[in-house]
Amino acid sequence: AQRVTQPEKLLSVFKGAPVELKCNYSYSGSPELFWYVQYSRQRLQLLLRHISRESIKGFTADLNKGETSFHLKKPFAQEEDSAMYYCARGQGAQKLVFGQGTRLTINP
Amino acid sequence: NAGVTQTPKFRILKIGQSMTLQCTQDMNHNYMYWYRQDPGMGLKLIYYSVGAGITDKGEVPNGYNVSRSTTEDFPLRLELAAPSQTSVYFCASSYSDRTEAFFGQGTRLTVV
Repeated sequence: AQRVTQPEKLLSVFKGAPVELKCNYSYSGSPELFWYVQYSRQRLQLLLRHISRESIKGFTADLNKGETSFHLKKPFAQEEDSAMYYCARGQGAQKLVFGQGTRLTINP
Repeated sequence: NAGVTQTPKFRILKIGQSMTLQCTQDMNHNYMYWYRQDPGMGLKLIYYSVGAGITDKGEVPNGYNVSRSTTEDFPLRLELAAPSQTSVYFCASSYSDRTEAFFGQGTRLTVV
């Protein structure tokens, strides 16, 4: 079975500090990888996907096939970044497999 | 544009009762999904559908049933509710297997 692992359930950093949310996936073919975010009292929404290679809200994520990782990074965290972050992998018919999620808290 | 709408938002069921979680989308998406999220865990796929009349099992289908008679609706049926089904349920939809999935706001179900 395809697996997505987010090793940190909780991550706390200070405002202005760099942040990295880790995501590793089990290897199989050409993965489609995503980061979804859920802000307080809002629904889960797409943050970014690896094929677009975009920077969204200052976040970037690079697919490293050698390390089977798709870590989410932001150089300078902001308070509004506090949320739950989920790494997900598509495996055909958009059957998204989600990691356990990381709750990111940005301290003022 | 309402997107994906789930009803109800909250529900408490007694063991052995049944209920249907409703999900509807107005984006004309072909693909629809049901996930459950247990405390401290990621989302697990229960069932999915790639179009009207087509459904398939996900990772954790036991105890649930679905139907997809229209493009818009994808109800999830719980028969004989059990405490293990206490969870938050999310419905999602996407246009294709390579596009963004849009989520409903979730249904918090407690079985006592």
